[in-house]
Amino acid sequence: SAVISQKPSRDICQRGTSLTIQCQVDSQVTMMFWYRQQPGQSLTLIATANQGSEATYESGFVIDKFPISRPNLTFSTLTVSNMSPEDSSIYLCSVSNSQGSGELFFGEGSRLTVL
Amino acid sequence: DAKTTQPNSMESNEEEPVHLPCNHSTISGTDYIHWYRQLPSQGPEYVIHGLTSNVNNRMASLAIAEDRKSSTLILHRATLRDAAVYYCILRDRGSTLGRLYFGRGTQLTVWP
Repeated sequence: SAVISQKPSRDICQRGTSLTIQCQVDSQVTMMFWYRQQPGQSLTLIATANQGSEATYESGFVIDKFPISRPNLTFSTLTVSNMSPEDSSIYLCSVSNSQGSGELFFGEGSRLTVL
Repeated sequence: DAKTTQPNSMESNEEEPVHLPCNHSTISGTDYIHWYRQLPSQGPEYVIHGLTSNVNNRMASLAIAEDRKSSTLILHRATLRDAAVYYCILRDRGSTLGRLYFGRGTQLTVWP
């Protein structure tokens, strides 16, 4: 299993500002991902965080809005840029050590409220 | 990825078995069936997964229909802690684990 810590756990932000969310894993992992869960909705995959290279974004998500870094096998950041109230969501980091079937582990999430 | 259909909500009494259905009529031969659940104010947690055969683990059992067009997650004795949203997800064996596409899931309510 993997223990995932996210910071901040929650924050209230002003429109137009940017916020960086950190994801720290207690062991080296192969794959890291970022998901978003808007209020009352299910989870949506934002991107795959690739170590040492640009993240792979899902349709509807772009690097300028959600820049992602992954400098090593245990750490990643997601920045939500130029925030608007529509960005109010829970952002979740998830990790896996398998390319095949198996478990995906999630952090507790970072709840952002944009005023 | 093929889509799944789940009831929006289900209810159960504590200590009774719960059968959570999932329909996936367009499943392909290489799709794994994954189940995750999300407790209130937490990230999702893995429950179980399978391909063709029924699977059991400490949390639950997964019963897969012979034609694989449906599956059922079985909680043998529901507890209050099992109240959560349960997601049934298909993932192609060739795709990257982690690129999961969550539907709306089933909200399970457990009554004491």
